[in-house]
Amino acid sequence: EAQVTQNPRYLITVTGKKLTVTCSQNMNHEYMSWYRQDPGLGLRQIYYSMNVEVTDKGDVPEGYKVSRKEKRNFPLILESPSPNQTSLYFCASSPLYRGSAKNIQYFGAGTRLSVL
Amino acid sequence: AQTVTQSQPEMSVQEAETVTLSCTYDTSESDYYLFWYKQPPSRQMILVIRQEAYKQQNATENRFSVNFQKAAKSFSLKISDSQLGDAAMYFCAYRVPPNYGGATNKLIFGTGTLLAVQP
Repeated sequence: EAQVTQNPRYLITVTGKKLTVTCSQNMNHEYMSWYRQDPGLGLRQIYYSMNVEVTDKGDVPEGYKVSRKEKRNFPLILESPSPNQTSLYFCASSPLYRGSAKNIQYFGAGTRLSVL
Repeated sequence: AQTVTQSQPEMSVQEAETVTLSCTYDTSESDYYLFWYKQPPSRQMILVIRQEAYKQQNATENRFSVNFQKAAKSFSLKISDSQLGDAAMYFCAYRVPPNYGGATNKLIFGTGTLLAVQP
């Protein structure tokens, strides 16, 4: 079954304690992305990756890091989490076809993060 | 910069009735794609329907259809014969078209419309 798997689904942590949210896809997609969802703001892109070892900032990258060492994995790293990073996080992946609406994004189930 | 606006934070519809969710967007591009996503209480993001800007025909998927007005930059979602399972947050999204030198899949989302379905 085609899927994007995020772990953990729920996470409560304290300010400053490094954490990693994992994301893995089994569809051999080139493109992967992280979004955060906040009430009244919709989803905003944090970082994205066009392929292995190719990553770039989205709209709200401050306080986050990513890596893409393997095609299937795209972890999101919070080196020193702060309360304003409390949010719902989504990982997404898609094939990278130029100009095609068929490259829809598949989303993970989301990770609810609370930073105290 | 491209923006997506959903002006209805909440909507309500009676079961079996029809409801229309509004979405407007701002872009200077002529080629782009528009999407409606559904987010039920499970939080999963589910693609409902998509529209390619160069296509004049409005997209339809079973009970879901869109009214795409390119000149007005409007992209509303109509849900016919509403069912209890349609209750969810609905997001309108715009996809940035390919840039020179490379494609991008960035989705720009609106702030969402929470739809309640009354039995």
